[in-house]
Amino acid sequence: EVQLLESGGGLVQPGGSLRLSCAASGFTFSSYAMTWVRQAPGKGLEWVSTINNKGDYTYYADSVKGRFTISRDNSKSTVFVQMNSLRAEDTAVYYCAKDRETTVTTPDYWGQGILVTVSS
Amino acid sequence: DIQMTQSPSTLSASVGDRVTITCRASQSVSSWLAWYQKKPGKAPKLLIYQASNSQSGVPSRFSGSGSGTEFTLTISSLQPDDSATYYCQQYNTYWTFGPGTKVEIE
Repeated sequence: EVQLLESGGGLVQPGGSLRLSCAASGFTFSSYAMTWVRQAPGKGLEWVSTINNKGDYTYYADSVKGRFTISRDNSKSTVFVQMNSLRAEDTAVYYCAKDRETTVTTPDYWGQGILVTVSS
Repeated sequence: DIQMTQSPSTLSASVGDRVTITCRASQSVSSWLAWYQKKPGKAPKLLIYQASNSQSGVPSRFSGSGSGTEFTLTISSLQPDDSATYYCQQYNTYWTFGPGTKVEIE
């Protein structure tokens, strides 16, 4: 059974940093791209970032480019997103998700999400 | 950037009704289009990928069609458990979600 468990969320002040982790199990982690998607309170889904299976290609939404960094540790089946210079508009539930194919396509399995609140 | 729109933004229908949601892309995304179901407090669920392919385990009442810039998600016989927000997402060029369609049961 595919399982994705996010951690590292919480309350942070504007301008601060936070690192989210997503521990994966139930599939061959090193074969699949991984993605972070967020949902701000009362808003829709927003793609944040994607990393390919080897970790040598990364993609970012314009809204986070230059502030967020996605990475992965295939030996630990974990994907990360380092979030710097956080803003109030980054407040959201962050989901990690596994790609449905071994190429970069679209996610099939998602974690339950973790809340990040940016507020003073 | 590719922009996605959905219509309607909200719909209310009765159990057993046939429901159709439309998604439009600002430029062609070929068939690189997915549909997700999202319930409050729950993870999104993949329903349809590559415009018309059903994800394993998804009830057969859900179907997708279209290509290029116009797509539809159809629920052939609406069930109480289908109350949710539905999002289309293009993955032709990076990833973009539509604004969502909230489906309510009358």
